Amino acid sequence: AQKITQTQPGMFVQEKEAVTLDCTYDTSDPSYGLFWYKQPSSGEMIFLIYQGSYDQQNATEGRYSLNFQKARKSANLVISASQLGDSAMYFCAMRLDKYGNKLVFGAGTILRVKS
Amino acid sequence: DTAVSQTPKYLVTQMGNDKSIKCEQNLGHDTMYWYKQDSKKFLKIMFSYNNKELIINETVPNRFSPKSPDKAHLNLHINSLELGDSAVYFCASSRALSAGGLETQYFGPGTRLLVL
Repeated sequence: AQKITQTQPGMFVQEKEAVTLDCTYDTSDPSYGLFWYKQPSSGEMIFLIYQGSYDQQNATEGRYSLNFQKARKSANLVISASQLGDSAMYFCAMRLDKYGNKLVFGAGTILRVKS
Repeated sequence: DTAVSQTPKYLVTQMGNDKSIKCEQNLGHDTMYWYKQDSKKFLKIMFSYNNKELIINETVPNRFSPKSPDKAHLNLHINSLELGDSAVYFCASSRALSAGGLETQYFGPGTRLLVL
């Protein structure tokens, strides 16, 4: 079975600094995808970034980058130059390709950006 | 131009009632999903439909019945509502999964259900 672990219930970061949100996963399947979603206080789920298990390079999308360490089974999200609007809940999720597009989510990390 | 929309946004109802939540997507996607987010913010998939066909059915009580009249709509009907059904229900959609492809799921705004 697939499992996603986010060990940080909450994090603080100073505005303009970088922050890393941890995510580890557990699967023996070779084909999978890893996703990060942001959920602000308004409640919607916003897709941020994706990493496929066969991707050679770490994914980047603007200020978001995914630090993918396959051997350690970790897919940490790095947010550079934090902004007040980055304050939100962040979810890591995994899809095992053999189960179709079913996402399994971690428990989430609440990020607070301080001014 | 809303991509994935849900109605209603808020739903307050009494135990034992039957209610429906509607979801529509205008992204041209083939696959739609229902997720439940509980009070601890834990998010779990309930159902998935691909071209009106049920493809994922997690361990969900029979009181929950999804219905897909066409591939742009996936509604969720809940019979005999219980206190434990109180949660936020998210609809999502994506392209159909292809080998090695990125089929990002795009979420609706959520429906906050409160059962009294």
